Formats: sequence, C-alpha cells, structure tokens
Amino acid sequence: DAMVIQNPRYQVTQFGKPVTLSCSQTLNHNVMYWYQQKSSQAPKLLFHYYDKDFNNEADTPDNFQSRRPNTSFCFLDIRSPGLGDAAMYLCATSRPGLAGARQETQYFGPGTRLLVL
Amino acid sequence: DAKTTQPPSMDCAEGRAANLPCNHSTISGNEYVYWYRQIHSQGPQYIIHGLKNNETNEMASLIITEDRKSSTLILPHATLRDTAVYYCIANAGNMLTFGGGTRLMVKP
Repeated sequence: DAMVIQNPRYQVTQFGKPVTLSCSQTLNHNVMYWYQQKSSQAPKLLFHYYDKDFNNEADTPDNFQSRRPNTSFCFLDIRSPGLGDAAMYLCATSRPGLAGARQETQYFGPGTRLLVL
Repeated sequence: DAKTTQPPSMDCAEGRAANLPCNHSTISGNEYVYWYRQIHSQGPQYIIHGLKNNETNEMASLIITEDRKSSTLILPHATLRDTAVYYCIANAGNMLTFGGGTRLMVKP
C-alpha cells in the first residue's frame, strides 16, 4: 500500500545533541510537510517542500532544518534540541494544489515522538 | 485562513450519529472547509471537504450552511474506533492550519 513512513517511532536524544528524523513516501507526491505537535496541542506546520523548493514558516526556529534529497525522502534536523523541542513530529505529503482551488488531501505518517533528556 | 471555532469535547453513544459543529464566520469565498481527525498516537487522517454544497463519502457527511459561516460533520453510526480529535479547517491553498479541534469520545 502507498504510504508515508516515519522512522523511528520514538527517538530519545540528549539536550543539545543534534538529531535527525526521517520520512519516506511511496505516494510520489511533490509536496512534503513537517509538523510539530506538542502534548495536548494541535499540529503546527514547521516547513514544507514543493519538489526541491523549501518553504519555511515565519515562526519556525532556526534550530530546525530540513533536507529533501529526492522525491521519496525528507529529513528533519534539529541542530541543538532543547527540552521545549520534545514533541511528536509529523510528516505529511500531498499533490500540489492550485492557487485558489481546493487543497489537495494531505497524507500523514504515524509520527516520531522525540524525547529530550 | 479563516478562524474556526469548535467545542473542545463531545460525547456520543456507540451506534448513534455524532454531529460535530464548526463555526467559520469569517470564511472567504474561495476557502474550503476540511475535516481531519487524529486518533490517539497516530497522524491526522483526512475525512471530507466541501465548498458550498453538502458532501458525503464513505466516512462521513458534511453539511455547510447556506451562508457558509458554519458546518457540521456527521458520523452517521459512531463506533468506538471513531474516538479521536476532529479538526475543522477553513482555508484556500495547500497549507493546513489546525485549530483546537473537538475531542469526540464514543461510549459503549
């Protein structure tokens, strides 16, 4: 089945130690997104890629970076994780939508829960 | 994106219809209404969307008022597996801005 895969499901890192979360997709979608979801809160968009074009949300901290080496894979790098970065990180994909038209359905992975010690 | 307002929580008896309201009084003409849900410890899942007309699919029905200022998601026969947070989103373009959502608890 076509899907969005996130590994690992749980990641433990130390305060200040760089960590990378990965996402892969078999849907061949042009657009990939990273969301952060803290406990009892709604998902919050960090950034997205349209093909190789990177689009950062205005309030995404510089501590968060992303790479998309090809259509199938996208990585979230947290350069110096703080305790406040502990959260669920969700990857999603979609086809590109047309401006002013309906948004294409986003397909989410199961998420990676990050714990910072 | 238009701001949406949803009740924070609702209960529903198993087998009964669950009617989840959403207010989007500032929605603009080109903004669609989308519903996603998030079951505990999973990623959000698309349910349904609409612009003006009522919509139905295998998961749910979406009723949008004529003035488009509010909508209702209907799960016709709720099951325990429908227990989740339901997000109503109103926007145009490719981005999703999640609000607080409604935590639906389906009870036996």
